[in-house]
Amino acid sequence: ELKVEQNPLFLSMQEGKNYTIYCNYSTTSDRLYWYRQDPGKSLESLFVLLSNGAVKQEGRLMASLDTKARLSTLHITAAVHDLSATYFCAVDKGSGNTPLVFGKGTRLSVIA
Amino acid sequence: GAGVSQTPSNKVTEKGKYVELRCDPISGHTALYWYRQSLGQGPEFLIYFQGTGAADDSGLPNDRFFAVRPEGSVSTLKIQRTERGDSAMYLCASSHQGNTEAFFGQGTRLTVV
Repeated sequence: ELKVEQNPLFLSMQEGKNYTIYCNYSTTSDRLYWYRQDPGKSLESLFVLLSNGAVKQEGRLMASLDTKARLSTLHITAAVHDLSATYFCAVDKGSGNTPLVFGKGTRLSVIA
Repeated sequence: GAGVSQTPSNKVTEKGKYVELRCDPISGHTALYWYRQSLGQGPEFLIYFQGTGAADDSGLPNDRFFAVRPEGSVSTLKIQRTERGDSAMYLCASSHQGNTEAFFGQGTRLTVV
């Protein structure tokens, strides 16, 4: 059974600081996704990582994938308050259009 | 349409009642997914349609839950004899066959009182 674990589950960080969120998964998978969710809202797609060594960046967020270690990271650079949200990683159960297995999420709070 | 549309956005129902939640996927998307998200948790898979047929319904928690997609477009998630534990955000997503990314709707927040 595919399991996805994120850590930390809660993160409070000061504006301007850097931090990394980790996502481990238990079995081989083709694709890994990062989503952002604001309170009471749906999921906003941030990154889709398709291959070993993939790295994608958007603004202050950078995601990477190591399929051999079954690990993805979401790195936050110089955090700002607007990044406060819950971040989920999710992994495909298989190839093609298959359902996603989500981690429990990391609730990020950026404080002044 | 421009995105995945879910209706209603909020639904409050009494324990024991029947509810239907609707999902209108992005036009042309053949794959459609239902997820359930409880407070403070990640979304959990319920059922996945490829066209009109349910390709994987292994996430449905029990036989009170049922979903249909009769014409391969709009889908309805049906919950019979609702229980307070069914209270959650129900999310729908769709994707194009051969495309890896699924797009999520705004969700239906179901509250069973």
